[in-house]
Amino acid sequence: DTEVTQTPKHLVMGMTNKKSLKCEQHMGHRAMYWYKQKAKKPPELMFVYSYEKLSINESVPSRFSPECPNSSLLNLHLHALQPEDSALYLCASSQEQGFEQFFGPGTRLTVL
Amino acid sequence: GENVEQHPSTLSVQEGDSAVIKCTYSDSASNYFPWYKQELGKRPQLIIDIRSNVGEKKDQRIAVTLNKTAKHFSLHITETQPEDSAVYFCAARPPSFILTGGGNKLTFGTGTQLKVEL
Repeated sequence: DTEVTQTPKHLVMGMTNKKSLKCEQHMGHRAMYWYKQKAKKPPELMFVYSYEKLSINESVPSRFSPECPNSSLLNLHLHALQPEDSALYLCASSQEQGFEQFFGPGTRLTVL
Repeated sequence: GENVEQHPSTLSVQEGDSAVIKCTYSDSASNYFPWYKQELGKRPQLIIDIRSNVGEKKDQRIAVTLNKTAKHFSLHITETQPEDSAVYFCAARPPSFILTGGGNKLTFGTGTQLKVEL
């Protein structure tokens, strides 16, 4: 398997809801990322996990909570989001001795 | 931290012409420079990358050049086709953000909307 997969593809949630985004890769990569992307803007790094440990948190609000249950899975738990959090959320992974980041297809999130 | 500037923000060319997108970076220690293509509604896909020990790299119609002295790198697309129409992002990776396990931090440029017209 040479892909990063993400579920769901689309998500609509209210500001009081709790939801989770899921990312999976089976390429043996030990680093995984969450990015947020607004229309026509570059991906904006949120979190980086290396060896299932949170290594970088780009000062993301606590209403976003990442979790890395194992080396293949990455979750992003969402709670009490704001309409301005509506965006494409991308997951990526990279190999231990590599450079390239492989992106998943993203989850299109709409917060009402 | 690293800062990457990308120009132009939009580029329109005729099919068959060449397209050039330029990026400059601020951290002279940056050592990896990927280019991503993102079609509307799709994921960013790596199309070519270059490391700091190489001055030029080519893959069919796509090439990237790196000038470390001037701290800029460019994407060249020859014989453009309508399917080349997309947003292109450059990025740079400073070594200070390389983690054990391969985690690293890319700084992206602001993107170039390329439109190839028939």
